[in-house]
Amino acid sequence: QKEVEQDPGPLSVPEGAIVSLNCTYSNSAFQYFMWYRQYSRKGPELLMYTYSSGNKEDGRFTAQVDKSSKYISLFIRDSQPSDSATYLCAMGLNTGFQKLVFGTGTRLLVSP
Amino acid sequence: GAVVSQHPSWVICKSGTSVKIECRSLDFQATTMFWYRQFPKQSLMLMATSNEGSKATYEQGVEKDKFLINHASLTLSTLTVTSAHPEDSSFYICSARDPPGLAGAETQYFGPGTRLLVL
Repeated sequence: QKEVEQDPGPLSVPEGAIVSLNCTYSNSAFQYFMWYRQYSRKGPELLMYTYSSGNKEDGRFTAQVDKSSKYISLFIRDSQPSDSATYLCAMGLNTGFQKLVFGTGTRLLVSP
Repeated sequence: GAVVSQHPSWVICKSGTSVKIECRSLDFQATTMFWYRQFPKQSLMLMATSNEGSKATYEQGVEKDKFLINHASLTLSTLTVTSAHPEDSSFYICSARDPPGLAGAETQYFGPGTRLLVL
């Protein structure tokens, strides 16, 4: 079993739709949760960062962490064609700086 | 926000040659940088952790003599692929640890990546 599971997609939605992206994980020690967006042939770009459980909102993006279920989500409201990219979840431990563990990424396609 | 650059953005080389990739943190000092490799439609695979002033820590299965890492300053880490072969062709991405006080102690900012093609 992988430490972090993420559906690779692709996930196709029409412009304006609400998008839900998810990751599950097995290591209950993870405390830091991140979402990165990666356009084709580019490096990942940090979108959202959350420590421990709870919600965080930034513009059209909302990140949720449910540590009891070992489940994290990224919601995108009013999706735009420019949101078409691969979204990677990543997680880190709490004991000093540790390497991040990444999901495989979900490819999102938003059609006009 | 924190900016990380990589150079070159792409490189084509002959089999057997060595290729050096640079990773720079432009507006912050990074004591720790990371090198990843990414195959098409796959996630990031951590190769090694690069600490300024000390030897890099390599992940299991990554040949340290093949992938030489040098982190000589707080803003520069280099990855040298020695005696490159076609199977080394990949997308190499570096990241730098966000220093405490910004987005959080455990985040990483990524460079734009270097695409290597070995003929």
